[in-house]
Amino acid sequence: EPEVTQTPSHQVTQMGQEVILRCVPISNHLYFYWYRQILGQKVEFLVSFYNNEISEKSEIFDDRFSVERPDGSNFTLKIRSTKLEDSAMYFCASSAQGAMRYEQFFGPGTRLTVL
Amino acid sequence: KNEVEQSPQNLTAQEGEFITINCSYSVGISALHWLQQHPGGGIVSLFMLSSGKKKHGRLIATINIQEKHSSLHITASHPRDSAVYICAVLQGAQKLVFGQGTRLTINP
Repeated sequence: EPEVTQTPSHQVTQMGQEVILRCVPISNHLYFYWYRQILGQKVEFLVSFYNNEISEKSEIFDDRFSVERPDGSNFTLKIRSTKLEDSAMYFCASSAQGAMRYEQFFGPGTRLTVL
Repeated sequence: KNEVEQSPQNLTAQEGEFITINCSYSVGISALHWLQQHPGGGIVSLFMLSSGKKKHGRLIATINIQEKHSSLHITASHPRDSAVYICAVLQGAQKLVFGQGTRLTINP
C-alpha cells in the first residue's frame, strides 16, 4: 500500500542553525501539507502546497519557514535560524486530486529537537 | 474556545468494553477525520466522513452535520486499541484543525 515517508526520523540541531525536513508523498498525490505537534499539545496546521505554490499557511509559518518541491517526488520543509520553540514532531501529509483531496495521508513524522 | 472539542480527554476501560469518544466542532467543515496516534507518534487515518456512518472492523464513526457532532465507537475493545484518538475537521479543502485528542487505555 502506498505511504508517505519522512526523513530523518529524528533531527537534533543547535539553536540558530538551519534544518531541512524531507518528505516523499504518495506518488500520484498533488496536494501536500506540513503539520507540527509540540510535545503534549495538539497537532497544528503549518502550510498547504499545490501546483508549486503555497495555498494556505498559518501564523506559525513565519518567514523562517519555507517549503519546496525540488523534484517530482520530494517535498521539503526548511526552517532557518531555528529556535528552541521549534522543537516538535513535524508531520507531512498528502492528498489526491478531485473529491479524494479531502482525505489526507500522514507520514510517520520527524522529531526535531533544537538545543 | 477551541474549534474542535473532544471528550473525554482520558478514558480507561476493561478489555471487551464498548468505547465511545465524542467530538464537537464549532466551524463549518468539508469533512471530518478520525485519526489514531500511537506512543511512537505516528498518525494513522481511521476514517474520513462528511455524512452518516462508516464502519471498519470493530470501529464505527458517525457524524451529525446539523448538530456539529461526531462519535467514534470501538466494539469489543482490546489492549492493542490503546492509543490517542484524534478528531480533526477539514476547513475548506486543505486545512485540518485538530482536537486535543482522547487518550484511551484498555486494560486486559
